[in-house]
Amino acid sequence: AQSVTQLGSHVSVSEGALVLLRCNYSSSVPPYLFWYVQYPNQGLQLLLKYTSAATLVKGINGFEAEFKKSETSFHLTKPSAHMSDAAEYFCAVSSNTGNQFYFGTGTSLTVIP
Amino acid sequence: KAGVTQTPRYLIKTRGQQVTLSCSPISGHRSVSWYQQTPGQGLQFLFEYFSETQRNKGNFPGRFSGRQFSNSRSEMNVSTLELGDSALYLCASSSGLAGFTTDTQYFGPGTRLTVL
Repeated sequence: AQSVTQLGSHVSVSEGALVLLRCNYSSSVPPYLFWYVQYPNQGLQLLLKYTSAATLVKGINGFEAEFKKSETSFHLTKPSAHMSDAAEYFCAVSSNTGNQFYFGTGTSLTVIP
Repeated sequence: KAGVTQTPRYLIKTRGQQVTLSCSPISGHRSVSWYQQTPGQGLQFLFEYFSETQRNKGNFPGRFSGRQFSNSRSEMNVSTLELGDSALYLCASSSGLAGFTTDTQYFGPGTRLTVL
């Protein structure tokens, strides 16, 4: 079965600094990789999705992620953090059969003014 | 378009009871999926319904069940509640046409279930 590991359950960055949230998937390449964001008391919102069309995926709100097969990684980045980026971020993969999602444990991002 | 709505938003039950949660998808969406979110286990996929049929299923016991109506609204039922069932239950809808994990999922705000 697929699995996802998010390194760092809590990440703090200063406003304007680079945001880097790490995600590694299990060794077999999943069909799709996702990053979701969850704001307090809300559901998840899709930030971006990798579908093998391009290794660098651009998402909403200035976020992007790069798929690196050699490193089995799909890290999320944003050049300059805003206060509004403070939230919980989840990396997810689809199963090889496309019939399930597997989520990471989440990374809570704090942006320091 | 109105988003995904879930009712109720908060629920308190006692052990052994059963509970039914409701999810109304975005108009035109035919797929509804359910997820359990807990601090210990994180986000876990429960099941997905498409056109009134359960199409995909996660690894949860039979106490967790669901159904979907002809208008695509979905309900999730948990019988014989246990303390460990306390969680935020999220539902998501999508068109369902391209495939469960291919379509973009739109999530509702969730139902917070507390089991005492």
